[in-house]
Amino acid sequence: GDSVTQMEGPVTLSEEAFLTINCTYTATGYPSLFWYVQYPGEGLQLLLKATKADDKGSNKGFEATYRKETTSFHLEKGSVQVSDSAVYFCALLGSGGSNYKLTFGKGTLLTVNP
Amino acid sequence: GAGVSQSPSNKVTEKGKDVELRCDPISGHTALYWYRQSLGQGLEFLIYFQGNSAPDKSGLPSDRFSAERTGGSVSTLTIQRTQQEDSAVYLCASSLASGTSTDTQYFGPGTRLTVL
Repeated sequence: GDSVTQMEGPVTLSEEAFLTINCTYTATGYPSLFWYVQYPGEGLQLLLKATKADDKGSNKGFEATYRKETTSFHLEKGSVQVSDSAVYFCALLGSGGSNYKLTFGKGTLLTVNP
Repeated sequence: GAGVSQSPSNKVTEKGKDVELRCDPISGHTALYWYRQSLGQGLEFLIYFQGNSAPDKSGLPSDRFSAERTGGSVSTLTIQRTQQEDSAVYLCASSLASGTSTDTQYFGPGTRLTVL
């Protein structure tokens, strides 16, 4: 079945540091890929998405590129802020028969210190 | 516009009691989903409703769990005879339509269930 593996946290960075959170997936066909973010005390929010190979999703300075050859969708940001502290989830939506079930990674807690 | 809303935001119950969790999807969204977020298991799919089709209940962990969606809008997730392992955050999501891999699911704030 489909699966998502993302880098274990927690990740602690200083403000303005470069961020990478690795995400790789296993799926048949051509899934869509997502990053969701959960700020403290809040629900899941869609951060960005990519629906086909080589697409780049971007939002709020975050980027991720859908790499089919490496089955990856790594999240990057050039300069993090304290307000980026949150839990980040990589997820995929399969293209097979159950193409409505999101499969999530376990989440990566990011803490950005001033 | 209004997002997905869920109630209650927090629920504390005693082991063996029944609980009902409510979800109001975004207006016009025909697809509705329930997920569970727990420390040990991460985020897991529970159930999916799409229009008038039979729901996909394949993610429900036991027959103590059930869900319905009335009038194609509001959904209720019911857990009977709650157990301590049911403690988790229950998330509801909705989307415009399913059957496409580009469909985006929008999540509510969740209901935190604690079973004592």
